[in-house]
Amino acid sequence: AQTVTQSQPEMSVQEAETVTLSCTYDTSENNYYLFWYKQPPSRQMILVIRQEAYKQQNATENRFSVNFQKAAKSFSLKISDSQLGDTAMYFCAFMKPGTASKLTFGTGTRLQVTL
Amino acid sequence: DAGVIQSPRHEVTEMGQEVTLRCKPISGHNSLFWYRQTMMRGLELLIYFNNNVPIDDSGMPEDRFSAKMPNASFSTLKIQPSEPRDSAVYFCASSLRRSPLHFGNGTRLTVT
Repeated sequence: AQTVTQSQPEMSVQEAETVTLSCTYDTSENNYYLFWYKQPPSRQMILVIRQEAYKQQNATENRFSVNFQKAAKSFSLKISDSQLGDTAMYFCAFMKPGTASKLTFGTGTRLQVTL
Repeated sequence: DAGVIQSPRHEVTEMGQEVTLRCKPISGHNSLFWYRQTMMRGLELLIYFNNNVPIDDSGMPEDRFSAKMPNASFSTLKIQPSEPRDSAVYFCASSLRRSPLHFGNGTRLTVT
């Protein structure tokens, strides 16, 4: 079974600064997908970024980028130029191919962006 | 595209009562998932359907929980009888094949 670990329960960053959220996972699969979801206080789960394991290039979406280290089974999220609206819980998630988008989530990191 | 629609947004009920949560997936999506979120256990997959057929219900906590998907545009999650430990946020999500999940806004259930 796959496991996803987020070792930082809470983090804080000042507005306009950069922050990195950590995620590690355990799997015996060679091909899989990794995701970061954001959950603001509104409770909605919002997809931030997606990485396919067979792609070596790190995914980027505007201010959000990942550092995907397949050998180390690490998948960190970097948020640049942090904004107050980035305040949220962030969940790392793993998906094995052929499982109809069935996701295994980490326990989340609560990010607070301050003035 | 209205997204995944869940109702009600909040539900407060007394222990022993039946609770039914509802979900309308995104039109055209062929997979539907029910997740439960609690502080202690995080996000747990309860059950998922593919083409309206339950594929994996190993996450359903016990027989008090049941889920149905009578057609491609509607699913229910029922708890009977409800208990205080069922208090949580219940999310429905849908996807097309192996595309990323799209989540509804969740139902916050409080059982007193």
